[in-house]
Amino acid sequence: NAGVTQTPKFQVLKTGQSMTLQCAQDMNHNSMYWYRQDPGMGLRLIYYSASEGTTDKGEVPNGYNVSRLNKREFSLRLESAAPSQTSVYFCARGDSGANVLTFGAGSRLTVL
Amino acid sequence: QKEVEQNSGPLSVPEGAIASLNCTYSDRGSQSFFWYRQYSGKSPELIMFIYSNGDKEDGRFTAQLNKASQYVSLLIRDSQPSDSATYLCAVTNSGGSNYKLTFGKGTLLTVNP
Repeated sequence: NAGVTQTPKFQVLKTGQSMTLQCAQDMNHNSMYWYRQDPGMGLRLIYYSASEGTTDKGEVPNGYNVSRLNKREFSLRLESAAPSQTSVYFCARGDSGANVLTFGAGSRLTVL
Repeated sequence: QKEVEQNSGPLSVPEGAIASLNCTYSDRGSQSFFWYRQYSGKSPELIMFIYSNGDKEDGRFTAQLNKASQYVSLLIRDSQPSDSATYLCAVTNSGGSNYKLTFGKGTLLTVNP
């Protein structure tokens, strides 16, 4: 997906392991987001960053931490993965006033 | 908890027909409304957004908003098999950050050739 790059695309973890999902945008937009998508649950906001240096909790922040390293990069960290964190994770940037979202291709995470 | 409700479908229409997708929302103060399309295994992509009551047209797509009824819809005219996807309705939350969107769970649309 041109504009927002996520890595890795796939990851399998064991319960208790940690990992970081990386996200980078190729534009200079202020706002960036992390969502998770689960079957039957839709997209749920984990954390967002309105601008460089700021982060805020979304609907489901427990078990996650984020870092807005600079204007381009916004990472999501799982300190101690749990099976309930098995999901597809999408990073997005906000265009045209923050809530017109351009999504990355997604990262599929499985926690065993 | 602010909610956005969509019929999960599947909604099945023949090629060339009009597909009508509906969404209701609970937050009366919501100001901005979005429709995203998501193909299976892919990420969501914006189709269109609407801010004001009434209709907004973009090619084969028309978004309709009725804030009094807390209802937003998406019409797809001359439906094509390539329109087969899940359609997500999203609404901004009032009372604070304009950055938070609440998404519905999506409606699966199938267009039959």
